Order: sequence, then C-alpha cells, then structure tokens
Amino acid sequence: NAGVTQTPKFQVLKTGQSMTLQCAQDMNHEYMSWYRQDPGMGLRLIHYSVGAGITDQGEVPNGYNVSRSTTEDFPLRLLSAAPSQTSVYFCASSNRGSQETQYFGPGTRLLVL
Amino acid sequence: GENVEQHPSTLSVQEGDSAVIKCTYSDSASNYFPWYKQELGKRPQLIIDIRSNVGEKKDQRIAVTLNKTAKHFSLHITETQPEDSAVYFCAAIERSNYQLIWGAGTKLIIKP
Repeated sequence: NAGVTQTPKFQVLKTGQSMTLQCAQDMNHEYMSWYRQDPGMGLRLIHYSVGAGITDQGEVPNGYNVSRSTTEDFPLRLLSAAPSQTSVYFCASSNRGSQETQYFGPGTRLLVL
Repeated sequence: GENVEQHPSTLSVQEGDSAVIKCTYSDSASNYFPWYKQELGKRPQLIIDIRSNVGEKKDQRIAVTLNKTAKHFSLHITETQPEDSAVYFCAAIERSNYQLIWGAGTKLIIKP
C-alpha cells in the first residue's frame, strides 16, 4: 500500500494562476480532507469529504474548490492563487471520519509570488 | 465554535526527563482528543488519542490525561529520548460539523 500520496511536492505559482493539488489514497477510506499548515497556526481544515460525491467546507475554504468523483482521489483546486495561499498543504484520509486515525500524505509546499 | 489552545509553544527538556504538553478546549460536548507528532519535514502521525468516556490512556512512555470538568487534556512523555524531538499537535472535535480543530503545536526539544 502506498497510503496517501500527494503531487506535486513543491510548486511555485504567480499571483492569479490556478492549479490543482492531487491527492490519492489506496486504503479504501471513505473520509478525506485537506489542511493547510502555516507556522505557528497548526493545521486548518480547508475542505473535507465523507464519501464519493460528497464534499463540505472546513474552517478556511475561500479560494479553494474540491471534488470527489471516486473514493480514491480528492483534488484541491486553487482558483486564482494569492500570496496568502503560500503554505504547506496536507491531504489526509481515515476509514470513516474525523474521530479515527488520520493518515496524512507527505504534503505539498506551495509558494505564491 | 470550538477553540483549542496549546501550551507551551516550545518545550526544552533534558534527555531522560519527562515532558508535559497541555491543551484546553472550549466546547464541553467535544468527545475525541488526538495527539499527533510531526518530525521536521515529515507528515503528522497519530501517537495517542483519548475519548471523553475515559480519564487516562497510556502507551509505553506516552500517556494522555483528560479533565472534562476543566476542559483540558495533556500529553505526558516519560524518559524522553532524542527521537522524541518533534512538533506535537493536539486537536478536539468541533460540534457544528464534527471536524477536528487543532492546537498551534508545541516544539519539543530534547537536550543531550
């Protein structure tokens, strides 16, 4: 099992550009989520999904879109990148929900100039 | 909504000594409290969790205690070792959407 994988590992964008951060898991987990991690602020939930076709907003959803067409994949789209979106992004999955062990991907480091 | 405060932000202890990290939460209905460890440049990993129906849970050198009345829970690491050096995060459940709200993290430094 590869667990949770994320691509790319590192990305530089210019303000206004769009991009998609990829996340996939091979554990047949129903629950997937996206976090951003900023220094001194812990992890903040962007969006989450409790199953294919179901997504919902987290704590900081503005500027991001998600979709969940399959159990395995949960891409995060930045619509128009801003410097404030410079961060490390983690995708996580768990068997059924937030009250179970979250398995994190390796992270994507994003720099917006 | 739920608010989780974590203290201290940095903790330096001598190897072999104990370390204690404390988190307070605001929502009395919160019922799940995990602790994650993140080594430098790595992903967070669960080290221990506790549910509101128990007051303490241990796993070898790691323990978590929960005080529901005071709304705080703590991570205890005994006989600290160099590999314990990392950032530790606590979290609690937000009642409105049953998602995790995270503390800001504690950087634990183990001095040789």
